[in-house]
Amino acid sequence: NAGVMQNPRHLVRRRGQEARLRCSPMKGHSHVYWYRQLPEEGLKFMVYLQKENIIDESGMPKERFSAEFPKEGPSILRIQQVVRGDSAAYFCASSQTGASGYEQYFGPGTRLTVT
Amino acid sequence: DAKTTQPPSMDCAEGRAANLPCNHSTISGNEYVYWYRQIHSQGPQYIIHGLKNNETNEMASLIITEDRKSSTLILPHATLRDTAVYYCIVRLRGGADGLTFGKGTHLIIQP
Repeated sequence: NAGVMQNPRHLVRRRGQEARLRCSPMKGHSHVYWYRQLPEEGLKFMVYLQKENIIDESGMPKERFSAEFPKEGPSILRIQQVVRGDSAAYFCASSQTGASGYEQYFGPGTRLTVT
Repeated sequence: DAKTTQPPSMDCAEGRAANLPCNHSTISGNEYVYWYRQIHSQGPQYIIHGLKNNETNEMASLIITEDRKSSTLILPHATLRDTAVYYCIVRLRGGADGLTFGKGTHLIIQP
């Protein structure tokens, strides 16, 4: 049973470019979460999505960042006009609904470097 | 979600039991204690969770005090691969919101 998959694992962008990070949840999981970990800092929640819906985006920066989880395909975290401060590891997690609870399972992360 | 307090770092000898404490004195009756760990540069890994009874799985045991104000994660036979930052998180089990990670405990297993 494949775990949460993220790609690319490493992404280099120049300032002003766009970054697209992809996350495929575990099979059967319909909830996706994105977290950011800045260098030498802790993990911070960004956004929580279900299929075609953003449930909680309280941790998302107000500008340049957006996320989607379409009916078909992976969840996408999009960062427009990247700046050096966006350099970080971005982790995606997924969970399933139902009686088994809401444990979140994390992917390996995408390391974004902005030059 | 209730706030948790963990020591910033701990050492443990390989092969011994590692006992990681967590204080959560403001925990409410319907909040669970979850433990995750993050091995260097990897995504966090779910370990275990519990409400008030002690829990055990293939990775670890979770001991929660009777008043639920603190808990201990036990790795029974620590290996070098258990070196990681361990996070204690208190949240509603039915809550599907984002996890709030504190600074955690950096556990270093010594050979």
